[in-house]
Amino acid sequence: SQTIHQWPATLVQPVGSPLSLECTVEGTSNPNLYWYRQAAGRGLQLLFYSVGIGQISSEVPQNLSASRPQDRQFILSSKKLLLSDSGFYLCAWSVTGGDSAFFGQGTRLTVV
Amino acid sequence: QKEVEQNSGPLSVPEGAIASLNCTYSDRGSQSFFWYRQYSGKSPELIMFIYSNGDKEDGRFTAQLNKASQYVSLLIRDSQPSDSATYLCAVINTGNQFYFGTGTSLTVIP
Repeated sequence: SQTIHQWPATLVQPVGSPLSLECTVEGTSNPNLYWYRQAAGRGLQLLFYSVGIGQISSEVPQNLSASRPQDRQFILSSKKLLLSDSGFYLCAWSVTGGDSAFFGQGTRLTVV
Repeated sequence: QKEVEQNSGPLSVPEGAIASLNCTYSDRGSQSFFWYRQYSGKSPELIMFIYSNGDKEDGRFTAQLNKASQYVSLLIRDSQPSDSATYLCAVINTGNQFYFGTGTSLTVIP
């Protein structure tokens, strides 16, 4: 069966510090991978989308970046965090032609 | 224009009533439509998906799709307090990307 791992679960970082969130998927090949952000009390905002290794589409220009160094690994990064980067970050995967997207447990990031 | 739009609510219904949640989407070529439920502080979980025009029933849940009107809805019959959550509508657009609405907050009052 397929599983998705996302870590860490919670993170408190100072303004201006770097960020690296990692997501890995098991049990499937060539998944579509997504990073979403959810601000407090708000909906899901698509940040990045990837259909394959090294293929990243950015939905929202900002100080975040994403990389996909391996087929089932998706990394969200920032060189310098802003207060506005606080939120609940969710990684998700789907397969083309599949019937759902499946989410990791999320990372709650607080920038102080 | 946003890809997927939902009324943010909050929507309150008494226990045992029918809750009706609505969603519209902008990409007319979208083919797949989903409803997710998200409890506070948790990840969204899939409730059901629908691909064809009409109704699809699963237990107390019924999804309705009207592609001509670009409209998707979710009905929850015999609403229970445990149904209190945020409900997210999602579509796969012609670019094969998942887009989510902002969600509708539902409260079922005992």
